Amino acid sequence: QVQLQESGPGLVKPSGTLSLTCAVSGGSISSSNWWSWVRQPPGKGLEWIGEIYHSGSTNYNPSLKSRVTISVDKSKNQFSLKLSSVTAADTAVYYCARRPAAPGNAFDIWGQGTMVTVSS
Amino acid sequence: EIVMTQSPATLSVSPGERATLSCRASQSVSSNLAWYQQKPGQAPRLLIYGASTRATGIPARFSGSGSGTEFTLTISSLQSEDFAVYYCQQYNNWPPVLTFGGGTKVEIK
Repeated sequence: QVQLQESGPGLVKPSGTLSLTCAVSGGSISSSNWWSWVRQPPGKGLEWIGEIYHSGSTNYNPSLKSRVTISVDKSKNQFSLKLSSVTAADTAVYYCARRPAAPGNAFDIWGQGTMVTVSS
Repeated sequence: EIVMTQSPATLSVSPGERATLSCRASQSVSSNLAWYQQKPGQAPRLLIYGASTRATGIPARFSGSGSGTEFTLTISSLQSEDFAVYYCQQYNNWPPVLTFGGGTKVEIK
């Protein structure tokens, strides 16, 4: 079955760029799915960051769009998140998740999440 | 942006009792509504999609209903493993701006 695994630095300095990668195993990133990033600040709710299709087409949360870039590497079967100009407000657990591309579908597979702290 | 509002914020229920969780959308999302369960230190788990379809492996005690702007998740007889936080999420619009409710914590009474 498909599994997702996030990786990347757990500590990022303010004003820096947060970079995470999600490795997809047990299936192809070129399947009919959107590949998303969702975050959760400590003790708070879930916020969708954005998603990418294997073609490279992306959708972003308008509240973060100016700072977010999501990219896909089909050769490595993985996708990545870059969030620039980070502040303490970007401290959160970051999850990658799969969302089938059939009309109107939900996040059916999630990674375990990775904690990223923004601090000097 | 479609705002999702969940109520109550906390629900105290005894094991074996029924739990009813509500989710309201600021505008119609048709049936494009999902429910997730999240336990401490774990990723969310998909329970319901399409407002009422159980995801693979989800027990029949979980049921979803509603359409448009009003939705309900019902847990018919709470088991110890069901005490968790539950989130609703809409995926209606295109291009998508996917939004989650603030969550309902189901705790032991």
